Amino acid sequence: EPEVTQTPSHQVTQMGQEVILRCVPISNHLYFYWYRQILGQKVEFLVSFYNNEISEKSEIFDDQFSVERPDGSNFTLKIRSTKLEDSAMYFCASHRTTGLNYEQYFGPGTRLTVT
Amino acid sequence: KNEVEQSPQNLTAQEGEFITINCSYSVGISALHWLQQHPGGGIVSLFMLSSGKKKHGRLIATINIQEKHSSLHITASHPRDSAVYICAVSVSGNQFYFGTGTSLTVIP
Repeated sequence: EPEVTQTPSHQVTQMGQEVILRCVPISNHLYFYWYRQILGQKVEFLVSFYNNEISEKSEIFDDQFSVERPDGSNFTLKIRSTKLEDSAMYFCASHRTTGLNYEQYFGPGTRLTVT
Repeated sequence: KNEVEQSPQNLTAQEGEFITINCSYSVGISALHWLQQHPGGGIVSLFMLSSGKKKHGRLIATINIQEKHSSLHITASHPRDSAVYICAVSVSGNQFYFGTGTSLTVIP
């Protein structure tokens, strides 16, 4: 069964460093998402992406964040200058269709630790 | 401000019990999603609802749009159902708000 994959599974970085989290959505999916979950807290929406541009973004998704689909298969989330509070699990998700009948497929997540 | 509220936060049940998890929301939605988060952190989509009721195996999800309320029911609960169940709503199609989750433990 097709699945969303994410790499790395765990990333440790120092405050102020740039990180890129990578996702490979399911190949015929058209809509892509990044979410984050700080330890012990609820999942939070970051950004949605369709047709090579951002559809929606939350207040969390400030200028430090960017997304890209560089080669038609990967979907990346870049954090330019990481802060301690960026430590969280980051989930990528994708789905195929719009309208009222779609199921999101989630990747296993990347745990980001900022020290 | 919480756009999505779930109850209860924690739930312990004996194997075989009928379980109900509730979700209320305060915004206009395109759809409501029920998700399952396993102890290892992985998230699986269970249902996407815009009206009425859906059933998948022992799981049933209902939504009342007028009352802005949804319920997830698990019949004949089993220890493997132990997980965090998350209610999420999609607003204007591609923006999502999540509840804090209901942690379910089913005891053999």
